[in-house]
Amino acid sequence: GIQVEQSPPDLILQEGANSTLRCNFSDSVNNLQWFHQNPWGQLINLFYIPSGTKQNGRLSATTVATERYSLLYISSSQTTDSGVYFCAVQDSGAGSYQLTFGKGTKLSVIP
Amino acid sequence: DADVTQTPRNRITKTGKRIMLECSQTKGHDRMYWYRQDPGLGLRLIYYSFDVKDINKGEISDGYSVSRQAQAKFSLSLESAIPNQTALYFCATSGGQGPYSNQPQHFGDGTRLSIL
Repeated sequence: GIQVEQSPPDLILQEGANSTLRCNFSDSVNNLQWFHQNPWGQLINLFYIPSGTKQNGRLSATTVATERYSLLYISSSQTTDSGVYFCAVQDSGAGSYQLTFGKGTKLSVIP
Repeated sequence: DADVTQTPRNRITKTGKRIMLECSQTKGHDRMYWYRQDPGLGLRLIYYSFDVKDINKGEISDGYSVSRQAQAKFSLSLESAIPNQTALYFCATSGGQGPYSNQPQHFGDGTRLSIL
């Protein structure tokens, strides 16, 4: 099946700093989502971005499908950004319906 | 109100008990999914359903069963719970029709299940 690798696995930032999280995947995809899992375990949809670039406030994401990677940018980080960020993909092969998740990047933003 | 609602939010039970986790949605989506998350890992698919009459096994279906009572309701059962089924369980829905339609998945808040 498709493989998803996220980097870095852990990241500590000072409040106000910027960061870039990366997601590499091993095959072509027709669905890619970024999620934020908060300390209470809730999964928050950040972006649905199988290709292209999107922005939502301080967050933006870019997926280069032909090169099989996606990037999540967090600018001017806040303590509420802490948590685990997951990339999940659905490969474009016939009969593949599940989202395959990476292991996540654990972000800690300190004041 | 949440679009995807899971009940209960937390459950502690004993080995051998039968457990049912429930999921309901108001998004009008045909597709529903159950995932589990173990500590330090991403989510893995247990079962998925494209409509009331279409239920399919996912990556890790052993020890689980599901029921799609209506378009809006999808339940997950553990017939005889065991400790290694302790995990965080998520229900999700997505729109679209046909086998190649891809729409984003929307997740409930999760059920934290502990089996002693």
